[in-house]
Amino acid sequence: DIQLTQSPSSLSASVGDRVTITCQASQDVTRYLNWYQQKPGKAPKLLIYDASNLETGVPSRFSGSGSGTDFTLTISTLQPEDFATYYCQQYKNPMLTFGGGTKVEIK
Amino acid sequence: QITLKESGPTLVKPTQTLTVTCTFSGFSLSTSGVAVAWIRQPPGQALEWVALVYWDNEKRYSPSLNSRLTISKDTSINQVVLTMTNLDPVDTSTYYCARRVNGRFDSWGQGILVTVSS
Repeated sequence: DIQLTQSPSSLSASVGDRVTITCQASQDVTRYLNWYQQKPGKAPKLLIYDASNLETGVPSRFSGSGSGTDFTLTISTLQPEDFATYYCQQYKNPMLTFGGGTKVEIK
Repeated sequence: QITLKESGPTLVKPTQTLTVTCTFSGFSLSTSGVAVAWIRQPPGQALEWVALVYWDNEKRYSPSLNSRLTISKDTSINQVVLTMTNLDPVDTSTYYCARRVNGRFDSWGQGILVTVSS
């Protein structure tokens, strides 16, 4: 299986901050990596697919980058509704895996 | 509009078998490239992919759960069913179904919390 390690596991930030979350894969996943946002009690929501493509309807303050084993999700200007947990997910290997999550909390 | 909804028991005893159903609308599981997956999440923990069935009936299972799982689809009534045998309290989770297209889970159900307890 391909392991995905997210860092940090949690962070505190203020509205207006720039936030960066990383996801490191244990093997090369090329660009077969997606990002999801999950709010408490809700299902995950797709934000970014194929490393850097913004899902329809997702605000442009979200962006993704990377390839191979190292990926980044960036929120350019944190908004109140962005406080949530974020997960990366790979599909290079048919045995799909998710990262451990990064919780973004209010400072 | 695409919707998915999970249904099934919310309380199951240890060693029993769990059957959860995903009923969906707004897309067809006969369309090339489409799949429906089950993903679970223990309380306060991360997401874990469980199983997947493709439009052509190809099936894939998490290696750690493979021996306990069966996934099936009924395209005529837009349902996907997951069966998991020999449940243990560690299987207590919210079980989500999700549509998968082009490698990504683009639509999710609301989830169903299944508690395994005697």
